[in-house]
Amino acid sequence: AQSVTQLDSQVPVFEEAPVELRCNYSSSVSVYLFWYVQYPNQGLQLLLKYLSGSTLVESINGFEAEFNKSQTSFHLRKPSVHISDTAEYFCAVSDTGGGNKLTFGTGTQLKVEL
Amino acid sequence: DTAVSQTPKYLVTQMGNDKSIKCEQNLGHDTMYWYKQDSKKFLKIMFSYNNKELIINETVPNRFSPKSPDKAHLNLHINSLELGDSAVYFCASSQQGDRTFLDGYTFGSGTRLTVV
Repeated sequence: AQSVTQLDSQVPVFEEAPVELRCNYSSSVSVYLFWYVQYPNQGLQLLLKYLSGSTLVESINGFEAEFNKSQTSFHLRKPSVHISDTAEYFCAVSDTGGGNKLTFGTGTQLKVEL
Repeated sequence: DTAVSQTPKYLVTQMGNDKSIKCEQNLGHDTMYWYKQDSKKFLKIMFSYNNKELIINETVPNRFSPKSPDKAHLNLHINSLELGDSAVYFCASSQQGDRTFLDGYTFGSGTRLTVV
């Protein structure tokens, strides 16, 4: 079984500042890793994913995450945040064995302030 | 067109009642899910169906019964509602196998259930 830990429940940051949202996972098998974003009163949307290959993955809106196998981490970063990035961010993991089940972390509320 | 639609969006009901939440997807996906998001935003899978067949059934009280009449629909019926059932319930869909991870899940916008 897999598990995901997001240590920070809330991260306040000023606009145009950099941000890092932390995610650590636990698994006895190879994993796929994901970040999903949830805007207020909406469902979750896939932000980016690591399946294989380059350990640094990027989204179209400037976020990036790096898979670090030795530290079992998949932290999400953005060099300069915008007010519109205010949302809940969920890290998720799935094993590579063919099952469809995603296990989510408890989420990190990113609040961008002026 | 909404890809994954859930109805109702809000549901307020008394303890002991029976209620249903409906979910429909028009993406042609063959796998559908129900997730429960509690007041602390923790998301936990409840059920998953693939082509109308139950494939994931987590530890959920048997008052919760999913029904999938076809692969585009997955409904959730809850009997004898309790205060602890108050949560946001999300429906999601995906393609089976590797497409699940290449494309990710597509979530509905949620049903906020409040039991009073």
